[in-house]
Amino acid sequence: DGGITQSPKYLFRKEGQNVTLSCEQNLNHDAMYWYRQDPGQGLRLIYYSQIVNDFQKGDIAEGYSVSREKKESFPLTVTSAQKNPTAFYLCASSLGTDFTEAFFGQGTRLTVV
Amino acid sequence: AQKVTQAQTEISVVEKEDVTLDCVYETRDTTYYLFWYKQPPSGELVFLIRRNSFDEQNEISGRYSWNFQKSTSSFNFTITASQVVDSAVYFCALRTFNDMRFGAGTRLTVKP
Repeated sequence: DGGITQSPKYLFRKEGQNVTLSCEQNLNHDAMYWYRQDPGQGLRLIYYSQIVNDFQKGDIAEGYSVSREKKESFPLTVTSAQKNPTAFYLCASSLGTDFTEAFFGQGTRLTVV
Repeated sequence: AQKVTQAQTEISVVEKEDVTLDCVYETRDTTYYLFWYKQPPSGELVFLIRRNSFDEQNEISGRYSWNFQKSTSSFNFTITASQVVDSAVYFCALRTFNDMRFGAGTRLTVKP
């Protein structure tokens, strides 16, 4: 079945540690996105990538990093520079960055302990 | 700047009631798309509908209907005869070229 797989579903991080969230898609989509969801704030764009080896910052990129070495993979690293990383993270993909709908993974809930 | 406002933070209805979720958007672009997504407790956002800025026809899909009015920059979503399974958070989104904005979401609770 085609879709987007995020792992792990739950992740706990100690303060000061970097952690990487995985996102894989087998939809053959060119564009991929990372969103952060906080209660009452909707989804905010962290990074997006239109093509392999290229990515752009979204509205809240500080403290995060990404890579796009393969079309199907777009991992997100939450670095120690991110002051408030506890949130729900959603990965999405779309055919392009034009007007097509985005399809979402099931999310990763990150908690700093 | 693009912006999406969902003024209703939470709505609670009893099963079989009709309910309308409001969405107001702001953009200066003439070409844009509007979306509605459903987020059940599992967390994944499920795509419901896409509407482009040149098509103001209302759409009905089963118990769901959407009313798009450019004059008021609104794209409202109505669920007819609500069911418990409709309980979720619903997001409205605005897509312009290379940018997609989501509203804060409306949490709908349908009680039996």
